[in-house]
Amino acid sequence: AQTVTQSQPEMSVQEAETVTLSCTYDTSESDYYLFWYKQPPSRQMILVIRQEAYKQQNATENRFSVNFQKAAKSFSLKISDSQLGDAAMYFCAYRNANTGNQFYFGTGTSLTVIP
Amino acid sequence: NAGVTQTPKFQVLKTGQSMTLQCAQDMNHEYMSWYRQDPGMGLRLIHYSVGAGITDQGEVPNGYNVSRSTTEDFPLRLLSAAPSQTSVYFCASSFDRYTEAFFGQGTRLTVV
Repeated sequence: AQTVTQSQPEMSVQEAETVTLSCTYDTSESDYYLFWYKQPPSRQMILVIRQEAYKQQNATENRFSVNFQKAAKSFSLKISDSQLGDAAMYFCAYRNANTGNQFYFGTGTSLTVIP
Repeated sequence: NAGVTQTPKFQVLKTGQSMTLQCAQDMNHEYMSWYRQDPGMGLRLIHYSVGAGITDQGEVPNGYNVSRSTTEDFPLRLLSAAPSQTSVYFCASSFDRYTEAFFGQGTRLTVV
């Protein structure tokens, strides 16, 4: 069974600084996709970044980047130049490319941005 | 560009009542699903569908029913509400099994 673990329930960062959120996953599959979603207080789930397991290059989206270590089954999110609007709950998610029927989510990391 | 529309946003039910959470998407996505979000547990899959007329159970299906008569709509029915079903519910859709999910705005359900 696939499991996704986020070991940091809460994190904080000073505005303009960099923070890294951790995520590990467990799977026996070789073809899958990984995602980071942001959930602000509005409750809306917003896609931050997506990584294909077959790609060695780490995905980046503006101030957001990932460190994807396939052998270690690790998928961390780095937020650079943190902004007040980055404050939210962040969820790591896994999707099996072969079945793909569901996303497996971690329990989330609550990020606080300190002005 | 509506995306995934989920209604209602808030609902209070009495134990034993039934209700339907509505979900519609206008992106022609084949995959649709329902998740519940509970504190400290992330999102867990209730039911999913890979196309019109095809549904299947997820991780926590008990007490819920779904149908998929059209590509656009995927309602979730609570048959007899219980306090354990107090949660935030999300409908999600994706184009195929390789792509990201788009989420509705969520429904906060309280069963008293």
